[in-house]
Amino acid sequence: AQSVTQLGSHVSVSEGALVLLRCNYSSSVPPYLFWYVQYPNQGLQLLLKYTTGATLVKGINGFEAEFKKSETSFHLTKPSAHMSDAAEYFCAVSDQSNDMRFGAGTRLTVKP
Amino acid sequence: GAVVSQHPSRVICKSGTSVKIECRSLDFQATTMFWYRQFPKQSLMLMATSNEGSKATYEQGVEKDKFLINHASLTLSTLTVTSAHPEDSSFYICSASSGTGINQPQHFGDGTRLSIL
Repeated sequence: AQSVTQLGSHVSVSEGALVLLRCNYSSSVPPYLFWYVQYPNQGLQLLLKYTTGATLVKGINGFEAEFKKSETSFHLTKPSAHMSDAAEYFCAVSDQSNDMRFGAGTRLTVKP
Repeated sequence: GAVVSQHPSRVICKSGTSVKIECRSLDFQATTMFWYRQFPKQSLMLMATSNEGSKATYEQGVEKDKFLINHASLTLSTLTVTSAHPEDSSFYICSASSGTGINQPQHFGDGTRLSIL
C-alpha cells in the first residue's frame, strides 16, 4: 500500500520568503510522486511530478521538488513566495497503475 | 489541452433528492475516470474508478448503491448520489485519464460542491 504524509497542515510565510512544504511517502514499489495546488472551490492543478530520471523536478510557477529516496521525501520548494501562491497544496503518490493517493494537504498562507 | 469539465459546480437540494454530477473530457478520450470526495479542510479520498463500458470499481467503504457511477462513453462519466442526506454534503471532484498507466496523467475537473439541506 502507498501513502503520503504531509508535515504541517498550515504553513505561513512572508511574501518573498522561501516556501518549503514537506512530504514523505511510503511505497513498496518505485513511487511516482506529484504535487498539486488547489484554489478555493476548484479542482486540482498539477504543479510537478517525478516518475523516473532526474531527482530534482521543476514545475510551474517557480516551484520545484527533489526526490530523495534515502529520506523517502519529496519536499516542495519555491525560493520567493508570492501572494498568488496562497492555496492548498497536496502531495500524492502513485504506482504504475495510476492509483493515486493524496496527503492531507498543507494550506499555504502568504503574508504581505 | 486535456480539459475536464465538471457540472454543476454547485448544487443545493433537499434531503432525499437524487443528484447527478457530470464529468466530461472536452478534448481527449477518457478511458478511465476517477471520482473523489473531499471533506472540508481534508484531502481527496478516492471513491471509485471507472473504465469506459465497464462497471466502476469502488473503494472499500463506498456504497455502490448510494453512489452510482456510469461511464457510458469515452468523454462522459456521471456520479449520481441517490437519496442524498446531509452527511453526503461534500466537494466531489472527478479526474479523467486517457489510459491506466502512469504515463497517462489524471486531469481534474473543478469540482462540485454538494449541499444537502
